[in-house]
Amino acid sequence: RKEVEQDPGPFNVPEGATVAFNCTYSNSASQSFFWYRQDCRKEPKLLMSVYSSGNEDGRFTAQLNRASQYISLLIRDSKLSDSATYLCVVNPTGNMLTFGGGTRLMVKP
Amino acid sequence: DADVTQTPRNRITKTGKRIMLECSQTKGHDRMYWYRQDPGLGLRLIYYSFDVKDINKGEISDGYSVSRQAQAKFSLSLESAIPNQTALYFCATSPGPFDPQHFGDGTRLSIL
Repeated sequence: RKEVEQDPGPFNVPEGATVAFNCTYSNSASQSFFWYRQDCRKEPKLLMSVYSSGNEDGRFTAQLNRASQYISLLIRDSKLSDSATYLCVVNPTGNMLTFGGGTRLMVKP
Repeated sequence: DADVTQTPRNRITKTGKRIMLECSQTKGHDRMYWYRQDPGLGLRLIYYSFDVKDINKGEISDGYSVSRQAQAKFSLSLESAIPNQTALYFCATSPGPFDPQHFGDGTRLSIL
């Protein structure tokens, strides 16, 4: 079993749609969680940290369920510019990050 | 100016050559990392360093070496490059153990 698993997609959605991604992780002792965004052939960029209480940043909402060991990202009112690969990232030990393989999102006009 | 700078941005070289990729940062972070990314495989950690002269192997360190001579600089070397080391390489930094990492623009390396 991979340490961090994501559905690779692609998720094809129209502009204005709401889309949700899930990610599961295997290490129950994991301490910190993030969503990164990566555009094609570019560096990963931090989208948001994920907190136990859930957190929101504009159109983006992240949730953490420690009991079930999954993380979610909800994007509301999708824009064309949201098209990218979204990486679920977990920090199990404090020494290094573990990356999921990414979920590709394509927002169509 | 970028906070995490990688040089070169692109490099094409031949099998057997020695290659060095450089990373420098102005963020003042102690922790630095080298990753490679292959299509469909995601990011894999090569080496990481928590301080000057501190070196730790990551998931895929074979065929690579690193040097951390200063807080701001972390270099990755391929002593004798082989074609399956063709990949996109990223350097990253972070301030502490549970903080997010900040990535450089990447180095696209092709080994013929």
